Amino acid sequence: SQTIHQWPATLVQPVGSPLSLECTVEGTSNPNLYWYRQAAGRGLQLLFYSVGIGQISSEVPQNLSASRPQDRQFILSSKKLLLSDSGFYLCAWSVWLAREQFFGPGTRLTVL
Amino acid sequence: TQLLEQSPQFLSIQEGENLTVYCNSSSVFSSLQWYRQEPGEGPVLLVTVVTGGEVKKLKRLTFQFGDARKDSSLHITAAQPGDTGLYLCAGYNTGANNLFFGTGTRLTVIP
Repeated sequence: SQTIHQWPATLVQPVGSPLSLECTVEGTSNPNLYWYRQAAGRGLQLLFYSVGIGQISSEVPQNLSASRPQDRQFILSSKKLLLSDSGFYLCAWSVWLAREQFFGPGTRLTVL
Repeated sequence: TQLLEQSPQFLSIQEGENLTVYCNSSSVFSSLQWYRQEPGEGPVLLVTVVTGGEVKKLKRLTFQFGDARKDSSLHITAAQPGDTGLYLCAGYNTGANNLFFGTGTRLTVIP
């Protein structure tokens, strides 16, 4: 069966510090991968998605970036965090062009 | 941008009551999904509806896709505390690589 992992689970970082969040998927090949951000108790904002290694599509211009160095690894990064980057970050995967997405457990990021 | 508005935004009810959550858009979707999210966890898929007018039941939950495939509803019968959570609808279009998520409805069922 497929599983998706995210780490760290929680992170507290000062403004201006770098960020690296990691997501890995097991049990499937060539998945679509997604990064979302969720404000407290609200809907999901799609940040990036990837249909293959090295292929990244950005949905929202900001100081975040994403990379996919391996087929089942998706990384969300920032060189300098802003207060507004605080939130709950979710990684998800899907079969190519399939409608159902499966989410990881999320990372709670607090920027102070 | 394809927006999905959910209503109500917040809902607090007593155990045993019935409720309906709505998901509306001006855009047509080829399918629509409902997810439930517990605090501090990722959303979990509940159902996918594909055909206009389609009704699907999952125990005490009834999902309906609008005839024009622009809206959907989720009805819960005899709500239980375990139904508490954030309910999210999401629209999908064939050939697209992503979903469009609704604004969310936070449901609290009081024992």
